[in-house]
Order: sequence, then structure tokens, then C-alpha cells
Amino acid sequence: SAVISQKPSRDICQRGTSLTIQCQVDSQVTMMFWYRQQPGQSLTLIATANQGSEATYESGFVIDKFPISRPNLTFSTLTVSNMSPEDSSIYLCSVLEREGGDTQYFGPGTRLTVL
Amino acid sequence: AQSVTQLDSQVPVFEEAPVELRCNYSSSVSVYLFWYVQYPNQGLQLLLKYLSGSTLVKGINGFEAEFNKSQTSFHLRKPSVHISDTAEYFCAVSISFDYKLSFGAGTTVTVRA
Repeated sequence: SAVISQKPSRDICQRGTSLTIQCQVDSQVTMMFWYRQQPGQSLTLIATANQGSEATYESGFVIDKFPISRPNLTFSTLTVSNMSPEDSSIYLCSVLEREGGDTQYFGPGTRLTVL
Repeated sequence: AQSVTQLDSQVPVFEEAPVELRCNYSSSVSVYLFWYVQYPNQGLQLLLKYLSGSTLVKGINGFEAEFNKSQTSFHLRKPSVHISDTAEYFCAVSISFDYKLSFGAGTTVTVRA
């Protein structure tokens, strides 16, 4: 499976600021996704990062709050804007691997704490 | 839209005992089914998946799951657990053509000696 890295691995931020999370894959992939895992909860899909076009957001998530870039087939960023303590979560990127079956593999996650 | 229900939020089990984690889904179209594991302070790791074919699928670390279409279930089993199996287990489903994953709430498995 693809090797996925995320930066930063964790951060502590002040409310009202923004943080950009990077996701790097070691091979070209067609689809990349961003998920959020709030404390003690399951994962929720934020958006699909589309290469060369605007991301597709799920219900409850908007571009102004979570702008996403995907400049090529191996890299994506998620920005958490104007943060509040409710944004404290683990943010994970995932990639879809078609070879061997349509399966998503996840990065190690970015643990964000907003004070 | 599809949804996933994990019927047990916490499952305590003794070492070398069997374990079964229950997962039910709802969808009006065909789905792909997955089990992921999250060890303490680690990322998500794929345990096994069902895409098509044999309804009994085997995964890593001795886990297996059975897809039951009539009961819309995908229960995970292991005949003998180890302390190292202590983790959070997530069942997930995607519609075959859009690949977006919907996750269950998770089941915390705690293995005791």
C-alpha cells in the first residue's frame, strides 16, 4: 500500500488562528480524502480533494472553514480556519488505492488542540 | 445514504478467548465493507475488506469477517485474542461507485490476562 505522511503530527493553536495540514503520498493516487475524528468519536468525512478542481465537501463542512488544495496527484493540504476549541480533533487524510481492490489507506493523522 | 451501526461500544475479553464484534449496515445499493483497527495513539490500519466474491474474508492478525447480505451484517471474529489486540475497531462501508467511507461509532476491545 501507499506510504502516507502528514505534517504536523500534532499542534496546539490559539483560537482565531488557522493551521494548514499537509498530506504527502509516495505514489500517484486518483482520490484523496480528509476525515475528522473528534475526541472519543468515530471518523467523519470532511471532503474529497480533487486534483485540479475545487474539493467536494460533505454536509456540515464548508470551504471557508476547511479550504483544501490538491495541486498534484501526490499532495494535498487541509486548512482549519478561524479555529475554536470545537475544532480540536485528529485530522486524517486517506488515499484510494485501486490496485488490489478499491481500498482507502490512512495517514497517521494530525492531532490538533485549540485553546 | 448508507449508515453503519456497531452494536457494542465496549467489549472486554480475556486473553485466548474468542471475540466477535458486530456490525450492521444499511444501504439501498451494493456496498464495499471494511474493518479498520486503531491501536492506542496510532493511525488507522486496514484489517480486512469485502468487495465481492466469497462472503468469508480473512484479514491480518488472525481476524476474519463474514458478509451476510440478507442480514446486512459484517461481523468481525477472532478465535483467540492476545493482549496486543487491545484497540478500537471501526466498521466502515462505502458505496461501490463513490468510495466515500461511512464509519460506525467504533468498538473498544480490551483484552485482559
